[in-house]
Amino acid sequence: AQSVTQLDSHVSVSEGTPVLLRCNYSSSYSPSLFWYVQHPNKGLQLLLKYTSAATLVKGINGFEAEFKKSETSFHLTKPSAHMSDAAEYFCVVSGAQAGTALIFGKGTTLSVSS
Amino acid sequence: GAVVSQHPSRVICKSGTSVKIECRSLDFQATTMFWYRQFPKKSLMLMATSNEGSKATYEQGVEKDKFLINHASLTLSTLTVTSAHPEDSSFYICSAPAGNTIYFGEGSWLTVV
Repeated sequence: AQSVTQLDSHVSVSEGTPVLLRCNYSSSYSPSLFWYVQHPNKGLQLLLKYTSAATLVKGINGFEAEFKKSETSFHLTKPSAHMSDAAEYFCVVSGAQAGTALIFGKGTTLSVSS
Repeated sequence: GAVVSQHPSRVICKSGTSVKIECRSLDFQATTMFWYRQFPKKSLMLMATSNEGSKATYEQGVEKDKFLINHASLTLSTLTVTSAHPEDSSFYICSAPAGNTIYFGEGSWLTVV
């Protein structure tokens, strides 16, 4: 079965410092992996996705993630945090078959202080 | 690109009443749609898979008689929360696959008072 584990429920950084949100996945096949962001009282926004092409994936708003098969990881990074990055971040894995439901991690709350 | 639209975006209903949430694929056909629920400060939990022209497939622990799902056409799936109670208050969001991409609706905030 597919699953994702977000290793930190809460990450706090200062504005201008790097962001690292960690995610490990478990899958019986080569998965598609996603990072979504959800701002307070808002819907979901896709940050980036990995679909077996380049292992380093660049997304919106300066975020990127690297797929490491040997470590079964897909950590999300950003060189310099902005106040507007404060939100909930979800690491997501595709289902076992194409067109099946996505499976969400428990989420990581990112706080950014000035 | 493909768009999935949900309606209403916010709804308040009284305990004991039923409320319907619509999920539409605006520019593509979706034989399958997915319904998720998100409790406050929690992750998204898959409730059910909606299948056009057949019964929905519910995840374990989801009451199918309480959360009625109908997928009557290739562009519309509806979720009806029957006899709503305050504990049903939540964020409900649908998604639909188009090719290799899954698109999410904007979500619906349900408050039962």
